[in-house]
Amino acid sequence: SQQGEEDPQALSIQEGENATMNCSYKTSINNLQWYRQNSGRGLVHLILIRSNEREKHSGRLRVTLDTSKKSSSLLITASRAADTASYFCATDAGIYNQGGKLIFGQGTELSVKP
Amino acid sequence: DVKVTQSSRYLVKRTGEKVFLECVQDMDHENMFWYRQDPGLGLRLIYFSYDVKMKEKGDIPEGYSVSREKKERFSLILESASTNQTSMYLCASSLWWGSGRYEQYFGPGTRLTVT
Repeated sequence: SQQGEEDPQALSIQEGENATMNCSYKTSINNLQWYRQNSGRGLVHLILIRSNEREKHSGRLRVTLDTSKKSSSLLITASRAADTASYFCATDAGIYNQGGKLIFGQGTELSVKP
Repeated sequence: DVKVTQSSRYLVKRTGEKVFLECVQDMDHENMFWYRQDPGLGLRLIYFSYDVKMKEKGDIPEGYSVSREKKERFSLILESASTNQTSMYLCASSLWWGSGRYEQYFGPGTRLTVT
């Protein structure tokens, strides 16, 4: 089952611009994560935000979480061509999650043109 | 750094063959996962394991089985490969839920083609 839905599905911007991707989910969560995937490769963890946090920063990444709207956004500032990748949000499966199971969205494909 | 390795990057098999995909992690993680990734469908969980010899079905277990005899190794088995199992297969691992560390570490993926 897909918990996270991402918007937009694809985004094309110029180098130096900011890129914003959104994720919505359906059930209560403990935390939400964002991952990046370069073409044909595995996913790489970028950042985690807990349900009691509203905003988190890591370098050029800024993540916000609105639990009342069940939504999150990932902002990449001053984008570079090397940021071209697919970005996925992932939520945990609920209040008890022994296996550490995550539910991934379908991803946003970001293209940054030099 | 955590390293998750998968036995093959590319694999071509014939319909009906038994296929083994191997995954090894070197960071003593309790949890291991197998996903498949298809265009437009995102990542779908096939099976996961939170301990040696423990396994649980994910969202799409049909046609697959798994084995976890050692903590570092998690194998995905296609008992009789079919063309609709052509996909990218991703393995991941993570620490146990109680550790407070929830991020998953992924292998590079195996692109399996069944002809």
